[in-house]
Amino acid sequence: EPEVTQTPSHQVTQMGQEVILRCVPISNHLYFYWYRQILGQKVEFLVSFYNNEISEKSEIFDDQFSVERPDGSNFTLKIRSTKLEDSAMYFCASSGDPSNQPQHFGDGTRLSIL
Amino acid sequence: QKEVEQNSGPLSVPEGAIASLNCTYSDRGSQSFFWYRQYSGKSPELIMSIYSNGDKEDGRFTAQLNKASQYVSLLIRDSQPSDSATYLCAVNDGDMGRRALTFGSGTRLQVQP
Repeated sequence: EPEVTQTPSHQVTQMGQEVILRCVPISNHLYFYWYRQILGQKVEFLVSFYNNEISEKSEIFDDQFSVERPDGSNFTLKIRSTKLEDSAMYFCASSGDPSNQPQHFGDGTRLSIL
Repeated sequence: QKEVEQNSGPLSVPEGAIASLNCTYSDRGSQSFFWYRQYSGKSPELIMSIYSNGDKEDGRFTAQLNKASQYVSLLIRDSQPSDSATYLCAVNDGDMGRRALTFGSGTRLQVQP
């Protein structure tokens, strides 16, 4: 069964450094998403992406965050200057038409900021 | 602020019993409803999706939606120890092209052998 793949599985970064999290969505999906989950808390929406542009973003997704689809298969989340509070699991998801198709999640990247 | 509420549990049921998980949501305009299973340290895994009032069955799982009461539930029949996980209710309002899922905090299910 097709799946969303994310790399790396675990990223350790010094505070203030830039980090790029990578995702390969399911191949025939056109809608892409990033969510995060701080340890012990809810899964929180960050951003959705369709047709090469951001379609929606949350209050969490401030100027230090950006997303990109650099080629036909990858979807990336960049955090420009990481903070301690950015430590979380970051999940990529993709879907077909969201009005009638669910989002499928990757295995996540555990981001640890030191 | 859109809210999705779940009892955090743990909900403990014996093996072979029916587990009943409940979820309420605040946004009456919500249109799509999902149950995800999340094992500790893992990602959410889709169990069921439901888009219209009534019941939807898939194997041992039945999702029930009542939009008038803003309530969605998940029944797990013949519960197995491997069903022990946190079950996340997620809602999408679909309004004005919104795609974001709003998640509840999850109900932890323990199935006792």
